[in-house]
Amino acid sequence: DAMVIQNPRYQVTQFGKPVTLSCSQTLNHNVMYWYQQKSSQAPKLLFHYYDKDFNNEADTPDNFQSRRPNTSFCFLDIRSPGLGDAAMYLCATSRATGGFGYTFGSGTRLTVV
Amino acid sequence: GQQVMQIPQYQHVQEGEDFTTYCNSSTTLSNIQWYKQRPGGHPVFLIQLVKSGEVKKQKRLTFQFGEAKKNSSLHITATQTTDVGTYFCAPQGAQKLVFGQGTRLTINP
Repeated sequence: DAMVIQNPRYQVTQFGKPVTLSCSQTLNHNVMYWYQQKSSQAPKLLFHYYDKDFNNEADTPDNFQSRRPNTSFCFLDIRSPGLGDAAMYLCATSRATGGFGYTFGSGTRLTVV
Repeated sequence: GQQVMQIPQYQHVQEGEDFTTYCNSSTTLSNIQWYKQRPGGHPVFLIQLVKSGEVKKQKRLTFQFGEAKKNSSLHITATQTTDVGTYFCAPQGAQKLVFGQGTRLTINP
C-alpha cells in the first residue's frame, strides 16, 4: 500500500545531541511537509519541500533543518535539541500545494533527556 | 497565513448524541480541509470544501462551507465511540495548510 513511513516511531536523544528523523513515501507526491505537534496542540508547520524547492516558516527555529535528497525521502535534523523540542514530529505529503488532502505518517515522538 | 478560530475546544457527549464543531475566519478562505486525529494517532484527511455554501456528507458526518467562505462546520449525527478524537479544520493558504486549534471529542458510552 502506498504510504508515508516515519522512522523511528520513538526517539530519545540527549540535550544538545544532534538527532535526525526520517520520512519516506511511496505515493510519489511532489510536496513533503514537517509538522511539530506538542501535547494537546495543533500541528505546527516547520517547513516544506515542493520537489527540491525548500520553504521555511518564518518562526521555525534555526535549530531545525531539513533535507530532501530525492522524491521519496525527507529528513528533519535538529542540531542541538533542547527540552522544549520534545514533541511529536509529523511528516506529511501531498500531490501539490493546493487542493489536495495531506497524507500523514504515524509520527516520531521525540524525547529529550 | 490564514488563521481560523475553532470552537469548542472540548466537547463531551453521551453516545448517540450529536456533535458539532465550528471553524471561523475573519478572511475569505479559498478552501478548507477537515482532519481527524485519534488519541495517540496522526491526522487523517476527511474532506475538502471549496465552493461557497457547499455541503458534503460522509455517512453520519456532514460538512458545510459558509456562503461567504469564512466559516465551516462539521456535524456528527448519533455519535459512536469510534468518533472519539480531535477534529481539526485547516484552511489551505499559499502552499500550506494551517491547522485550527482543534475540537477534542470524548464520548461516554
